[in-house]
Amino acid sequence: GEDVEQSLFLSVREGDSSVINCTYTDSSSTYLYWYKQEPGAGLQLLTYIFSNMDMKQDQRLTVLLNKKDKHLSLRIADTQTGDSAIYFCAESYAGKSTFGDGTTLTVKP
Amino acid sequence: SAVISQKPSRDICQRGTSLTIQCQVDSQVTMMFWYRQQPGQSLTLIATANQGSEATYESGFVIDKFPISRPNLTFSTLTVSNMSPEDSSIYLCSVRTSANTGELFFGEGSRLTVL
Repeated sequence: GEDVEQSLFLSVREGDSSVINCTYTDSSSTYLYWYKQEPGAGLQLLTYIFSNMDMKQDQRLTVLLNKKDKHLSLRIADTQTGDSAIYFCAESYAGKSTFGDGTTLTVKP
Repeated sequence: SAVISQKPSRDICQRGTSLTIQCQVDSQVTMMFWYRQQPGQSLTLIATANQGSEATYESGFVIDKFPISRPNLTFSTLTVSNMSPEDSSIYLCSVRTSANTGELFFGEGSRLTVL
């Protein structure tokens, strides 16, 4: 079946850029997503990209998609301590979504 | 966007009992889904809730264990039946507001602990 993989942990210093990477296997994916989950909370949709796009920028967030390599990344500029959370990558096809295991981002002051 | 309300937000239940989780959306949506997030893990799709007909279950999930209703375009319920400690998870309702956009929103989840 479909698979989505992410590295489990990332640690950065406040003010640096963070880059979270994700790979997926389903070449039919229509949309790819990034979600943020803080402790005890639900999933917050950060951004998503349609599969025919290469890049999407939204304020401090930049999403890059390499469809050939099935690689998705999320760059957070000027990372703040409030960005510390678990970030989930997900892909979707025909309305159904598959999630990665999440990357725990720790931002050190 | 969509505002999704789930009830209860958390509950502690006894083994062998059943619990129904409600999901209410503030606008009509095209698709509604139920996910499970086991402790420290990622999300797994349980089923797609279909309006006025039986839900579509993913592999490993069955209607007898997780009956789902969706009477209209803004409301759905998920029942976790005959619970065991292995059912302790966060259950999340998710919606797609339009077939023309990819936006997929989640509720805050219902945290279930089974003793």
